[in-house]
Amino acid sequence: ILNVEQSPQSLHVQEGDSTNFTCSFPSSNFYALHWYRWETAKSPEALFVMTLNGDEKKKGRISATLNTKEGYSYLYIKGSQPEDSATYLCALTGTASKLTFGTGTRLQVTL
Amino acid sequence: EAGVAQSPRYKIIEKRQSVAFWCNPISGHATLYWYQQILGQGPKLLIQFQNNGVVDDSQLPKDRFSAERLKGVDSTLKIQPAKLEDSAVYLCASRSPGRSNYGYTFGSGTRLTVV
Repeated sequence: ILNVEQSPQSLHVQEGDSTNFTCSFPSSNFYALHWYRWETAKSPEALFVMTLNGDEKKKGRISATLNTKEGYSYLYIKGSQPEDSATYLCALTGTASKLTFGTGTRLQVTL
Repeated sequence: EAGVAQSPRYKIIEKRQSVAFWCNPISGHATLYWYQQILGQGPKLLIQFQNNGVVDDSQLPKDRFSAERLKGVDSTLKIQPAKLEDSAVYLCASRSPGRSNYGYTFGSGTRLTVV
C-alpha cells in the first residue's frame, strides 16, 4: 500500500498571502502524481497531473513542482483569494490505475 | 459532457440500519471507483470496477459492504448493517478507457451520518 503524506494538515492565511503545501510519497514505483482541489459539497476538481521528474505546471495563480527522485511535490498558490479556500489533495497512481490519496491540506483564506 | 451523478447527496441513518448509494458514471467510462473519505483522512478506495467486473475490492469491509455494477454502467454501494464509524463522504469516480493517468472524474459525493 502506497503511503502518501501531506503537510500541513490545515492552513489559515489572509487574502493576498502566497502559500505552499507539500506532498511526500515513496519514490519507488512512481507512475503519476495528481493534485485535486475539493470544495465542500462539490466534486474534487483536477488541477494537475505530473509524471516526469522536474515537471512544473501552472494554472493561473496555482503552480506545482515534482521531484520523483526524492519523493515530493509542492503546490503553490500566489496571492491567495477567499475562493481558494478548499481542501487540496494529492494522489498517486502506481502501476494500478487507482488513486491513492494523501490526507489533504485544508486551506482557509480570510479577508 | 455530463459529470458523474451521485444520489442521495445526504443521508442520516441510525446504526444497524441499511443504506444504499447510487452512482451514474460518465457515458463510455469503463472504470468506476467508490471511495470512502472519513473526516480528517484522505479518500480511501473501497472498490474498483472494470465494466461490470471487480478489479480491486481489497479494502472493502465485505461483512457489511457490497457493491455491484450491473450492465457495466450504473453502480450501487450498500452498507448493511451500518456502524457509527461508517460516517463519511462516499465518492464515486469514473475514468475513460485508454487514458492511463488522466480522465478521472468525480461525483460530488454522498455524505452519510450514522447516529
